Amino acid sequence: SQQGEEDPQALSIQEGENATMNCSYKTSINNLQWYRQNSGRGLVHLILIRSNEREKHSGRLRVTLDTSKKSSSLLITASRAADTASYFCATPSDKSGNTPLVFGKGTRLSVIA
Amino acid sequence: SQTIHQWPATLVQPVGSPLSLECTVEGTSNPNLYWYRQAAGRGLQLLFYSVGIGQISSEVPQNLSASRPQDRQFILSSKKLLLSDSGFYLCAWERTLNTEAFFGQGTRLTVV
Repeated sequence: SQQGEEDPQALSIQEGENATMNCSYKTSINNLQWYRQNSGRGLVHLILIRSNEREKHSGRLRVTLDTSKKSSSLLITASRAADTASYFCATPSDKSGNTPLVFGKGTRLSVIA
Repeated sequence: SQTIHQWPATLVQPVGSPLSLECTVEGTSNPNLYWYRQAAGRGLQLLFYSVGIGQISSEVPQNLSASRPQDRQFILSSKKLLLSDSGFYLCAWERTLNTEAFFGQGTRLTVV
């Protein structure tokens, strides 16, 4: 069953601009992860944020988590053409931590040089 | 360091033929192993996961099966492929549930 849902489905920006993607989920969780997928390739883990964290940074990536709204956002600052990819949020299907990750449908980001 | 191998990268199979996709992990022991399928332009659908040898959980009943004959080997199989089995199949592993997952490069399966 689908737990997370990304928004927007697709996003096109100019190089140098910031890109913001959102993820909403349904049930309480203990953590949320973001992944990146280049076309035709496997997914690569970007960042994991725990339910007791509100914000986390990794290089040009900034992730926020609002457990009261059951939502998360991924911000990519100063985007580059190489950031063009699909981005997925992933959560456990419940808060127990004993269930596998469930992925959303992703946001397709296009960064135009 | 840990690595995951998934093969083949692409596969074209006729309807009704069998399927065997293999995934192996190196550099770790007792990983959780996963098979996902991704339709074109869509999200990932969890097919099977395994927390140990011989332990397989099926998420979606369908024309596929999975086996884990060794600790770091996960195999996806079908006795008779259907057109609807076409897709991009991804194998993944993690140390424990809900930690960082590491994905293989995927197998593009086309059933004709």
